[in-house]
Amino acid sequence: ETGVTQSPTHLIKTRGQQVTLRCSSQSGHNTVSWYQQALGQGPQFIFQYYREEENGRGNFPPRFSGLQFPNYSSELNVNALELDDSALYLCASSLDPVGPGLNIQYFGAGTRLSVL
Amino acid sequence: DAKTTQPNSMESNEEEPVHLPCNHSTISGTDYIHWYRQLPSQGPEYVIHGLTSNVNNRMASLAIAEDRKSSTLILHRATLRDAAVYYCIPHKASGTYKYIFGTGTRLKVLA
Repeated sequence: ETGVTQSPTHLIKTRGQQVTLRCSSQSGHNTVSWYQQALGQGPQFIFQYYREEENGRGNFPPRFSGLQFPNYSSELNVNALELDDSALYLCASSLDPVGPGLNIQYFGAGTRLSVL
Repeated sequence: DAKTTQPNSMESNEEEPVHLPCNHSTISGTDYIHWYRQLPSQGPEYVIHGLTSNVNNRMASLAIAEDRKSSTLILHRATLRDAAVYYCIPHKASGTYKYIFGTGTRLKVLA
């Protein structure tokens, strides 16, 4: 069983550019969540995709968008990059929960984005 | 969403038990309590979760107060590999399933 993989591991962009980050979910998982983690802070929820539909969104502007594909892999797109977008972007996958409290999220190692 | 309060940092000697506290006084009756940890240069890793009863697994034990306003993660014998940031997260049983992370407790393990 493969874990959650993210690509690329590191990325450098300039202000105003666009970026796409990719995530392959753990085998058998149909839900993907994305988080942004600034240095020294806990991860902040961006949005979640369940069976290719957005299933909730955090307090992030529309220039943060996502996709989930039929194989449940996912992309995070960020347009018009700003300096404050520099962070570690984490993807987490989870099973469609059978019961309450069972939606354990399995995280990838993240993509480190630097915006200059 | 329930707010959590954790110490910024703690230290422990290797091979000794560690008790990591978390206050979550605004937790709702149906929120589970999840604990994750984040090792350096890695994503968060699930540790344990519970609702009302104390829970044990191969990684740790979780002690939940009777009023559910606080919980304690117990590492029975700390190792150098346990050095990480530990997050407690009240987690709703239904809905978006998002995790709301605080700043966590940075655990340092001394050899």
